[in-house]
Amino acid sequence: SAVISQKPSRDICQRGTSLTIQCQVDSQVTMMFWYRQQPGQSLTLIATANQGSEATYESGFVIDKFPISRPNLTFSTLTVSNMSPEDSSIYLCSVATHLRRDYNEQFFGPGTRLTVL
Amino acid sequence: GQQVMQIPQYQHVQEGEDFTTYCNSSTTLSNIQWYKQRPGGHPVFLIQLVKSGEVKKQKRLTFQFGEAKKNSSLHITATQTTDVGTYFCAAPYNQGGKLIFGQGTELSVKP
Repeated sequence: SAVISQKPSRDICQRGTSLTIQCQVDSQVTMMFWYRQQPGQSLTLIATANQGSEATYESGFVIDKFPISRPNLTFSTLTVSNMSPEDSSIYLCSVATHLRRDYNEQFFGPGTRLTVL
Repeated sequence: GQQVMQIPQYQHVQEGEDFTTYCNSSTTLSNIQWYKQRPGGHPVFLIQLVKSGEVKKQKRLTFQFGEAKKNSSLHITATQTTDVGTYFCAAPYNQGGKLIFGQGTELSVKP
């Protein structure tokens, strides 16, 4: 397993501003992901954070809105840019320590609860 | 695109009653995973099923993977208040370890 921390745990922001969320893992991991979970909804994958290269975004998410960095195997950041109230959500990072077909579960950070006014 | 459908969306039970949530896919899955998210918490991995027809148990929880590897279920026997939360199934899609999550089933247990 992996121990994951996220900062900040919550924030209230004004529209038009940006917020950077940090994700720190206690060990080197193969894969890191960023998810969004809107109130009462399921998890939606935003992107895969790739170490040393540009993140891979899912349909509906773009780099200009959600720039991601991953400078090493234990750390990643997600920025929510030019925020609007529709960006109010919980943002979760997760990691996968293995990519075997029978052993590729993900471990989630505690999440960042973002409210945009 | 690939979808994983999960039902029911909500389930309210009396403590001691059983609970089941179902997950279905239109495509064959390489594996299926189950996660639990307590209110205000983050998803926590419960189990992964890989083999056709596989059945795994964790105390009062029984997980099944269909013979065609297109459906799965989670059954809780004699629910307790500690079982409260949302249960998600999740399946890999494309490559690179990505998961697609079902809509989740929110379980509430009345003492």
